[in-house]
Amino acid sequence: DTGVSQDPRHKITKRGQNVTFRCDPISEHNRLYWYRQTLGQGPEFLTYFQNEAQLEKSRLLSDRFSAERPKGSFSTLEIQRTEQGDSAMYLCASRLGSAGGLNNEQFFGPGTRLTVL
Amino acid sequence: SQQGEEDPQALSIQEGENATMNCSYKTSINNLQWYRQNSGRGLVHLILIRSNEREKHSGRLRVTLDTSKKSSSLLITASRAADTASYFCATVLTANFGNEKLTFGTGTRLTIIP
Repeated sequence: DTGVSQDPRHKITKRGQNVTFRCDPISEHNRLYWYRQTLGQGPEFLTYFQNEAQLEKSRLLSDRFSAERPKGSFSTLEIQRTEQGDSAMYLCASRLGSAGGLNNEQFFGPGTRLTVL
Repeated sequence: SQQGEEDPQALSIQEGENATMNCSYKTSINNLQWYRQNSGRGLVHLILIRSNEREKHSGRLRVTLDTSKKSSSLLITASRAADTASYFCATVLTANFGNEKLTFGTGTRLTIIP
């Protein structure tokens, strides 16, 4: 257990439905990342927050995806009008960041596995 | 897009033998990290090596980094059944040093045969 939790662990939904995932990072970590991992591949960066500010979004994050981190604590990732291609493992990670850019590891949650039927 | 490629894609060895995995990447990095992922689970950080370092050890793990060849290797000595997992290298590109987002390779699936 890394201290990062994600909920739910598994989600099965029908195409066209909306889904929302939650990530609770390690409490003192100011940086939070979302990644997506498809079968047989390494994780790919989606978006990142420093405190409550969303500072970068990947081109992978279409308009159907939105992420928030109110109050700089937990984060949610919502996918609207899900498509079968959205089926993947969604991973959240957190780390302690600083302006000096310390070489700190990212701590990953267990992931949410999404299956879109 | 994936930054790195790992070699081999899959590796099976007998328990007690050493396992070596290689990672190549394409652009200038600030640091390189290795992660382990058990089937269907999250990633666990193993070791980080900075761009100005050439070798690092942690327990049974040894990591090397050759920035001139843009490659790294992970050696696991005296393998155990519990080492069975997928191993990923991940780089923090120099261009991303401010946000430290990770760019992952494609992974090596390691199987330790008891």
